[in-house]
Amino acid sequence: AQTVTQSQPEMSVQEAETVTLSCTYDTSESDYYLFWYKQPPSRQMILVIRQEAYKQQNATENRFSVNFQKAAKSFSLKISDSQLGDAAMYFCAYRRYNNNDMRFGAGTRLTVKP
Amino acid sequence: DVKVTQSSRYLVKRTGEKVFLECVQDMDHENMFWYRQDPGLGLRLIYFSYDVKMKEKGDIPEGYSVSREKKERFSLILESASTNQTSMYLCASSPTRTENTEAFFGQGTRLTVV
Repeated sequence: AQTVTQSQPEMSVQEAETVTLSCTYDTSESDYYLFWYKQPPSRQMILVIRQEAYKQQNATENRFSVNFQKAAKSFSLKISDSQLGDAAMYFCAYRRYNNNDMRFGAGTRLTVKP
Repeated sequence: DVKVTQSSRYLVKRTGEKVFLECVQDMDHENMFWYRQDPGLGLRLIYFSYDVKMKEKGDIPEGYSVSREKKERFSLILESASTNQTSMYLCASSPTRTENTEAFFGQGTRLTVV
């Protein structure tokens, strides 16, 4: 089975600063999708950003961007201009192309300091 | 907006009880999933279903079963609850398409087995 590894159990960042969350994955597939989800204290999982493996261009969504390194099987999330509302658990997830189940990492708890 | 609704937000059950966790989605999605979330372990897939009456085992199916009699409803069953099944349970759904589709989550059920 594919595995997703998030090596940072906890991270903290000062408000308005930039933070990068790491994610690596293991797969023998060439086509797949990668996701970052946010889980605030409300427990509702929210999609932050997604990336198709066949696209070389890194995805961006406002203050959120990824650094996708396919050869290295790395998919990090950069949060710019961090806000207090960014405090949450962040999960990296992998889904194989043409397959419906999604696999998640262990998560990174992000704290934002005012 | 897609809505995935789990029947309970908090549940307390006794060891040996049969427990039903219910999940309903309103977007006509083919796929539905049950995950278990534990600190340091992230989300682990218990079972998923890609069609009515169809199911596939995930990574940790032991001690669980599922039922999908209608497209919109996916139930997780603990035949005889044990204390090691105390956890957060998340239901999700997604459409069956080959493009980059995300999973949509319910708000989670925190189950305590005493």
